[in-house]
Amino acid sequence: DAKTTQPNSMESNEEEPVHLPCNHSTISGTDYIHWYRQLPSQGPEYVIHGLTSNVNNRMASLAIAEDRKSSTLILHRATLRDAAVYYCILRVNNAGNMLTFGGGTRLMVKP
Amino acid sequence: DADVTQTPRNRITKTGKRIMLECSQTKGHDRMYWYRQDPGLGLRLIYYSFDVKDINKGEISDGYSVSRQAQAKFSLSLESAIPNQTALYFCATSDPGLAGSSYNEQFFGPGTRLTVL
Repeated sequence: DAKTTQPNSMESNEEEPVHLPCNHSTISGTDYIHWYRQLPSQGPEYVIHGLTSNVNNRMASLAIAEDRKSSTLILHRATLRDAAVYYCILRVNNAGNMLTFGGGTRLMVKP
Repeated sequence: DADVTQTPRNRITKTGKRIMLECSQTKGHDRMYWYRQDPGLGLRLIYYSFDVKDINKGEISDGYSVSRQAQAKFSLSLESAIPNQTALYFCATSDPGLAGSSYNEQFFGPGTRLTVL
């Protein structure tokens, strides 16, 4: 399975943008890039996903490199509630929706 | 009301005991999953089920068994609990969606914290 590499932790100030990087140099052409986050004492929740093009939704934006070997999750204005562990996951298309979680990035937001 | 519920939320048991963790969902999804999470680590897949008659082993199924009693219910059992099964356990569901659908978001329950002494 293709692996992802993320920094263990990052810090941000409240109301500033946050860019969470993810490297996935062994990604295959049909792997989708998914992001989930896990708030303290909760189960993970879906954030965003993409294949080749950049994506935007109400929670975040996903910027995917042209060679697809890396991607960046962008939170446009971090709030205290965004403090969580963010997981970058490669999902193999037609593989039964298996999610293989790595260690993720722990985002700390300072007021 | 929560779409995916897990019972119990916390459980302390002793080595050798049989334990059952239950998961129920009101989302009408066919697919259900059990994961475990150890401190500071990501989730690992234990078992998954695509429908009532379809059960599959995940990455770390040894020492666990499951039962899919109905579309809405998926139970995880530890036949003889051991201390290294102390972890946080999550149930999740997803909808296969349209044929060829790419993303099938998974919806997670709140978790069960299990301690085996």
